[in-house]
Amino acid sequence: GDSVTQTEGQVTVSESKSLIINCTYSTTSIAYPNLFWYVRYPGEGLQLLLKVITAGQKGSSRGFEATYNKETTSFHLQKASVQESDSAVYYCALLTTNAYKVIFGKGTHLHVLP
Amino acid sequence: DMKVTQMPRYLIKRMGENVLLECGQDMSHETMYWYRQDPGLGLQLIYISYDVDSNSEGDIPKGYRVSRKKREHFSLILDSAKTNQTSVYFCASSRQSAEVFFGKGTRLTVV
Repeated sequence: GDSVTQTEGQVTVSESKSLIINCTYSTTSIAYPNLFWYVRYPGEGLQLLLKVITAGQKGSSRGFEATYNKETTSFHLQKASVQESDSAVYYCALLTTNAYKVIFGKGTHLHVLP
Repeated sequence: DMKVTQMPRYLIKRMGENVLLECGQDMSHETMYWYRQDPGLGLQLIYISYDVDSNSEGDIPKGYRVSRKKREHFSLILDSAKTNQTSVYFCASSRQSAEVFFGKGTRLTVV
């Protein structure tokens, strides 16, 4: 079946340093899935950070960016300089094109140290 | 105002009691979801609803049932709650392949 893998459960980075959170996906669908990054700040629900629906394209929001790489089936999240307010849980997700199911990775808890 | 509202936000129940979690959305979205989130497991899909009375099992439906009698409401029911159903439950809605909107979650503790 379809799946999303985030290898890091927790990442700690000092403020102003660069960040990469890894995400790879697997799908049995012929069509390329839509890919998303969601973020959950403490006490809040999940909210969309960015999405890319076309393979090869890059999405960006709030200084974060992710490129949809169909060759490596990856959608890594990157930021050049993190801030303490970026501390949150980040989820990579894909939307299957047949059943409209959204499948999430296990999430990566980002701690940004001041 | 695009919103998914979950009630209650916190709930404590005894083992064997029935539990009703309610979810509403004001966007007329056809598709609604119930997920649970557990440490180290991420978000797991319990049920998906494609419209009124059109519900499908997700990946972990056992021990749960759902009800969707109006497009804007989607309820999750636990008949005879178990301690392993202690979790944070998220409701979400979307219009087909568009963005998924989430509620703030319901933290359920079964003792």
